[in-house]
Amino acid sequence: QKEVEQDPGPLSVPEGAIVSLNCTYSNSAFQYFMWYRQYSRKGPELLMYTYSSGNKEDGRFTAQVDKSSKYISLFIRDSQPSDSATYLCAMIISSGSARQLTFGSGTQLTVLP
Amino acid sequence: DTAVSQTPKYLVTQMGNDKSIKCEQNLGHDTMYWYKQDSKKFLKIMFSYNNKELIINETVPNRFSPKSPDKAHLNLHINSLELGDSAVYFCASSRALDTQYFGPGTRLTVL
Repeated sequence: QKEVEQDPGPLSVPEGAIVSLNCTYSNSAFQYFMWYRQYSRKGPELLMYTYSSGNKEDGRFTAQVDKSSKYISLFIRDSQPSDSATYLCAMIISSGSARQLTFGSGTQLTVLP
Repeated sequence: DTAVSQTPKYLVTQMGNDKSIKCEQNLGHDTMYWYKQDSKKFLKIMFSYNNKELIINETVPNRFSPKSPDKAHLNLHINSLELGDSAVYFCASSRALDTQYFGPGTRLTVL
């Protein structure tokens, strides 16, 4: 079993829809949780970063962490065609000088105009 | 003023060759990383350097050797390339708060 499991998709939604992207994890030592967006043939770029349970909002994006259930989500409101990309959840166990980032396998999202 | 840059962007080579990929960051970060992304888009860490010192070395063949001449550079040298090495290789960097910034990737194709 992988440490981080992510709904593989692909996911296709109409413009304006609310998108929900999800990851579960098995290692309770994960302390930091991130969502990256990766456009085709580009490097991942950080979207959201949080370390506590609860919600964190940034514009149309909301990151949700539930440490008791080992579950994280990213919600995208009023989705746009420009949101079409692969979304990767990522988690870190921070120990000493090691900052090992473990990724989910990514969910490919297409927002149709 | 690219934050994390990699060269080359594309690399096509024959099996058995030796090649290098270079990475530079101008963010003043103290930690740099190499990741491999396979055809299924799964990103996996290979190495991490903190202040020029190797701190993460995942299970990769010893044909892969990272070299960090200074804090701003982390190069990846690959000996005796194999078909299975074909992938996109990403360099990244971070400061203590663990936000990692990724380069544009190097697409390696081994024929």
